[in-house]
Amino acid sequence: AQSVTQLGSHVSVSEGALVLLRCNYSSSVPPYLFWYVQYPNQGLQLLLKYTTGATLVKGINGFEAEFKKSETSFHLTKPSAHMSDAAEYFCAVRGNTGANSKLTFGKGITLSVRP
Amino acid sequence: EPEVTQTPSHQVTQMGQEVILRCVPISNHLYFYWYRQILGQKVEFLVSFYNNEISEKSEIFDDQFSVERPDGSNFTLKIRSTKLEDSAMYFCASRKEVEKGYGYTFGSGTRLTVV
Repeated sequence: AQSVTQLGSHVSVSEGALVLLRCNYSSSVPPYLFWYVQYPNQGLQLLLKYTTGATLVKGINGFEAEFKKSETSFHLTKPSAHMSDAAEYFCAVRGNTGANSKLTFGKGITLSVRP
Repeated sequence: EPEVTQTPSHQVTQMGQEVILRCVPISNHLYFYWYRQILGQKVEFLVSFYNNEISEKSEIFDDQFSVERPDGSNFTLKIRSTKLEDSAMYFCASRKEVEKGYGYTFGSGTRLTVV
């Protein structure tokens, strides 16, 4: 079984500041990890994913995340926030066994960017 | 870039009525999913579908729900007798058969409002 914890529901940063959105997971098998972004009134867009190999993964829009097995974490970062980054961000996990495993989502974090 | 298309974008229905939510997955994808997101809550897995049958379903997916792939392109979710608590955003997703680590492609969602 898998679960995701995203602490806090809202993060506010100034434009140009570092963005850090935390995600911790629990998985009974080696995980595949994902970050999705949801802009208002839109669907879920894949930002980045970790499957195997390099633990630092880069995604779209300048975001990256690092898989840390020892900490069971997959935190999302961006060096410099932009106003267009304001959205809701979801971390998700699935097991790497079984081709049809479902995604389990965290509750999401709303990112606000102040001018 | 290929998209998952969902229709309608917004549906209002009276309690007790049947609704059918429609999805057109990406044409070469073989795994299909429905998720829902009640306002302010996390995205929840409903059901997965492969090879013309349900492969996994959640506790939410009770006898009031059914899925179908009637013509090889559409993938539908039917709710037989809607309840107020079925009001949510419903997302369809699809995934390629190969490469288990592939991220899911989500549609933009159908917002269902039961009154």
